[in-house]
Amino acid sequence: DTGVSQDPRHKITKRGQNVTFRCDPISEHNRLYWYRQTLGQGPEFLTYFQNEAQLEKSRLLSDRFSAERPKGSFSTLEIQRTEQGDSAMYLCASSLAGQGFDEQFFGPGTRLTVL
Amino acid sequence: AQSVTQPDIHITVSEGASLELRCNYSYGATPYLFWYVQSPGQGLQLLLKYFSGDTLVQGIKGFEAEFKRSQSSFNLRKPSVHWSDAAEYFCAVGAEEYGNKLVFGAGTILRVKS
Repeated sequence: DTGVSQDPRHKITKRGQNVTFRCDPISEHNRLYWYRQTLGQGPEFLTYFQNEAQLEKSRLLSDRFSAERPKGSFSTLEIQRTEQGDSAMYLCASSLAGQGFDEQFFGPGTRLTVL
Repeated sequence: AQSVTQPDIHITVSEGASLELRCNYSYGATPYLFWYVQSPGQGLQLLLKYFSGDTLVQGIKGFEAEFKRSQSSFNLRKPSVHWSDAAEYFCAVGAEEYGNKLVFGAGTILRVKS
């Protein structure tokens, strides 16, 4: 059983460029989450999917951010026209929907640096 | 809305000493409570969780936590700290009524003196 994987692990980009991150969840998990973690803070929820449906988006997810999970397996998070304030660790997690609250399993994260 | 407070930004303990990391949450009903650990540049690893039942829960690496409803607290403890425990620790809360997202505290950085 492989855990949640994320690619790339690190990304350095210039302000104004577009970036895309990928997350591969644990294979049988039907829920997938994206969180953002800035320096000195805990992770903050961005969005989550159940299968291919995006069920909730945070106010943090501006129009420049878009997430997809086209086949209910891997997910991508795209940031358009990056800004320096987008510099953060982007964490993906997955879970198996069941009764009650799901335990979420986190990937290693993608660290984005916007110059 | 849910919120989580970790009052201590940094804690330093000597190797072999006991540890307690504080966590307070704000939520009306019974929340689902978690402690995660994060080593530098890494993702989050679940240490333990409280869903219901016994309010003292055991986790991995010798950690335990106690849910105290009256104090809205879920403090993490370890009787004897090892140098390898140096990391950042996050308390998190979830509730079905607020969807499946976790709300995290700001974290506590643990330093271990040898």
